[in-house]
Amino acid sequence: GAVVSQHPSRVICKSGTSVKIECRSLDFQATTMFWYRQFPKQSLMLMATSNEGSKATYEQGVEKDKFLINHASLTLSTLTVTSAHPEDSSFYICSARMVSGTSGGGEQFFGPGTRLTVL
Amino acid sequence: AQKITQTQPGMFVQEKEAVTLDCTYDTSDQSYGLFWYKQPSSGEMIFLIYQGSYDEQNATEGRYSLNFQKARKSANLVISASQLGDSAMYFCAMRDTGGFKTIFGAGTRLFVKA
Repeated sequence: GAVVSQHPSRVICKSGTSVKIECRSLDFQATTMFWYRQFPKQSLMLMATSNEGSKATYEQGVEKDKFLINHASLTLSTLTVTSAHPEDSSFYICSARMVSGTSGGGEQFFGPGTRLTVL
Repeated sequence: AQKITQTQPGMFVQEKEAVTLDCTYDTSDQSYGLFWYKQPSSGEMIFLIYQGSYDEQNATEGRYSLNFQKARKSANLVISASQLGDSAMYFCAMRDTGGFKTIFGAGTRLFVKA
């Protein structure tokens, strides 16, 4: 099946610094990528939807100036957590949607996640 | 607004037995997709099974089957012949027809006992 990678898989940073997380679709083109956030023992919460070449659409309550999303190509989307604070510590998961497929609206594949710890 | 409800925070099952994980949903859309994902402790989301709202037959994938009852808006996952490796978090999810958003339920943690 299609593969989505995330880099890094784990990152620890100091409070106040910015962290960039990359999400790549390795063997397919993804016009749409999704970023989710998951706190321990909780569900995935959609943060934003990004379409290649356009601005991301953020879910209500998500600060777009804090969580910068860039979807510069059909295989790469980045999430930058700016001026990170300890409360931003979480598991961030990206997902890429393949345009063609049998699942409604196109198949969606998830990356392995990035665990961010802000000290 | 769309909503997914999983009322079982944790479930135990004996190895080799079947288990049903509950999922109910709410949507005003006529066309939608329902999914189940498995998330082991490593964190990766593993796709298990998909059911389209217009599919007349219940979806099956190996040991996984989806008990789809449209009128009741339920999409329960049945795992037959449970294995120790099935211990994980299981999420029910729903996507609208445009495929622009997938929302997830709270999840059910399954423990398979030897």
